[in-house]
Amino acid sequence: GENVEQHPSTLSVQEGDSAVIKCTYSDSASNYFPWYKQELGKRPQLIIDIRSNVGEKKDQRIAVTLNKTAKHFSLHITETQPEDSAVYFCAATLWQGGKLIFGQGTELSVKP
Amino acid sequence: ETGVTQTPRHLVMGMTNKKSLKCEQHLGHNAMYWYKQSAKKPLELMFVYNFKEQTENNSVPSRFSPECPNSSHLFLHLHTLQPEDSALYLCASSLRTSYNTGELFFGEGSRLTVL
Repeated sequence: GENVEQHPSTLSVQEGDSAVIKCTYSDSASNYFPWYKQELGKRPQLIIDIRSNVGEKKDQRIAVTLNKTAKHFSLHITETQPEDSAVYFCAATLWQGGKLIFGQGTELSVKP
Repeated sequence: ETGVTQTPRHLVMGMTNKKSLKCEQHLGHNAMYWYKQSAKKPLELMFVYNFKEQTENNSVPSRFSPECPNSSHLFLHLHTLQPEDSALYLCASSLRTSYNTGELFFGEGSRLTVL
């Protein structure tokens, strides 16, 4: 089955800096990679996703890149703001009705 | 408000108690999920229901018993739990077909403490 590893487990940056979170997956059949954000005491929410037919996707200050050959994908947040502080989870699955497997989570802290 | 509501938000129970967690979604989704979230661990998938039918049981101990009477409601019945079962239990729903995993919409979770 699929296994997703996420690094780092904690990340602290200064406001305005960039943050990068990396994930690797084991099942080469996986073709859908969402990222969820969970603010303290709140529910996880989807922030961006990518399918394996593209290598990069951008939405304002966040972007996700995918390297299918190496089986890893990354979340990039530019110009970080204090409200970006949260736990971020990557996940991998088969787009065609697969089982979503999450990484361990990265606690991002943005210091003003 | 994402349309997925979980009750109770907090629950404390002894190891011999029987209790239930409830989840309700008003999004018209056909799939519902239970996830367990423990500190420093990934979100662990427990059960998946698609059109009221259980399609996934991720090797969950029998002291957790799910029930899905219809596509809008999902329960997790708890019986003779262990202290290590203390965690945040998240319910989610999605519009899922065999061709589309779909975005998960989570509830706010039920924080369970087993004494």
